[in-house]
Amino acid sequence: AQSVAQPEDQVNVAEGNPLTVKCTYSVSGNPYLFWYVQYPNRGLQFLLKYITGDNLVKGSYGFEAEFNKSQTSFHLKKPSALVSDSALYFCAVRDDTDKLIFGTGTRLQVFP
Amino acid sequence: NAGVTQTPKFQVLKTGQSMTLQCAQDMNHEYMSWYRQDPGMGLRLIHYSVGAGITDQGEVPNGYNVSRSTTEDFPLRLLSAAPSQTSVYFCASSYLVEMPYGYTFGSGTRLTVV
Repeated sequence: AQSVAQPEDQVNVAEGNPLTVKCTYSVSGNPYLFWYVQYPNRGLQFLLKYITGDNLVKGSYGFEAEFNKSQTSFHLKKPSALVSDSALYFCAVRDDTDKLIFGTGTRLQVFP
Repeated sequence: NAGVTQTPKFQVLKTGQSMTLQCAQDMNHEYMSWYRQDPGMGLRLIHYSVGAGITDQGEVPNGYNVSRSTTEDFPLRLLSAAPSQTSVYFCASSYLVEMPYGYTFGSGTRLTVV
C-alpha cells in the first residue's frame, strides 16, 4: 500500500542555519511527490512537486527538495532558515487512484 | 480570486445538532474532497468526488454525508454532531489528470461540538 512518513514531529533550527524536513515514501510505480506548508489558521499551500526529471526540485520561498529513489526519500531543504518559515509542513504522494496521501506533518520552529 | 471557498470559518454546535459545511471552487476542477485535521494525525480523508453526481468514501466517512450536484460545490453534512467531530475541516480540489499544484485547499472550518 502507498504511504508517506514524516519521522519528525518537530524540527528546531536557528535562523540563518540550513534546515531539513524529512519525508520517506512507499508507492508502486513512479512517485509523484509534493510538499505543502500550513501557516496558523490557514489551509495548506503548495510549495513544490517532483514528477520526473532533476532530483533537486526548487519551489516557493527559497525551498527545495531532493528526490532520492534508492532511499525512497523526498527531503525538504532550505540553505538559510528564516523565522517566518516557522509553520507546519506536509509531505504527500499521489497514489494509484490519483489521490494524495499526506504525512502526519512536521512542525518547523525557527529561533531568532 | 480563483480558489476554494469554505464557509463558515468557525462553528460551535451542540451534540446532536446537524449542519452543513460549504465548499465551492471556481477552477472547474473535477476532483473535490473533504479532510479533517486533528493534532498528531495529519489529514484524514472523509469523502471525495471525481465529478458531478459521483461521490465516494474516504478513510473516516462515518457521521458525514456529501453530495455533488454541480462541478463547483461540494457540501459536507454532519448528520448528528458528536464531540469526536470537533476538528478543523478542509476542502480541497484538483484536476483529475494534470495536477500542477496537487490540491488547492480552502482556508478551513474550525468546528467545536460541545
